[in-house]
Amino acid sequence: QSVLTQPPSVSGAPGQRVTISCTGSSSNIGAGYDVHWYQQLPGTAPKLIIYGNSNRPSGVPDRFSGSKSGTSASLAISGLQAEDEADYYCQSYDSSLSVYYVFGTGTKVTVL
Amino acid sequence: EVQLVESGGGLVKPGGSLRLSCAASGFTFSSYSMNWVRQAPGKGLEWVSSISSSSSYIYYADSVKGRFTISRDNAKNSLYLQMNSLRAEDTAVYYCAREMGVIQNWFDPWGQGTLVTVSS
Repeated sequence: QSVLTQPPSVSGAPGQRVTISCTGSSSNIGAGYDVHWYQQLPGTAPKLIIYGNSNRPSGVPDRFSGSKSGTSASLAISGLQAEDEADYYCQSYDSSLSVYYVFGTGTKVTVL
Repeated sequence: EVQLVESGGGLVKPGGSLRLSCAASGFTFSSYSMNWVRQAPGKGLEWVSSISSSSSYIYYADSVKGRFTISRDNAKNSLYLQMNSLRAEDTAVYYCAREMGVIQNWFDPWGQGTLVTVSS
């Protein structure tokens, strides 16, 4: 039921920069609604890492950054570290009648 | 410390019922909207339901509408999800999450989750 599309996987060597895209539509991201990002380490609950498109909660390293443009958003991880290996999900609000909050399909980040 | 702890998961037969609970601590529970989000084994996250701070506004995903009921008891700092007419496709880890923001909201923090397995 995901209406936000993410690449299934991205990978990079330690120290490199990777980006994850999140593509929506005119009823969610394209309507101007904010995008938020979560990190889910194996076997754990999701953790908020970016809110309001580009804001980092206290304690989240500044290696994580977010942006939004048009019907898409992106999460960038610079200076990739082994501990960044996890699943990442975007989330937004949807104004259609069938959903309220929507998540992305999820992206597995692998550190080579 | 802000904390959410889910309970009530387990194995249930198709067509059966289950009630999940989420105990909140470390913040003023009655001031926040709360949500349930689920994750099927090996799959992504799916928003299930939302309830406003005073229970005035309640929303459900189409996939659970008419079968699940969200509720809360602010005096007990607790959130609930009554799940009826359960189906195999409801098998998932169910997370409760506090809703943050004013309009275009996000979820923080999340509980550790409770596993619901629907199988005969």
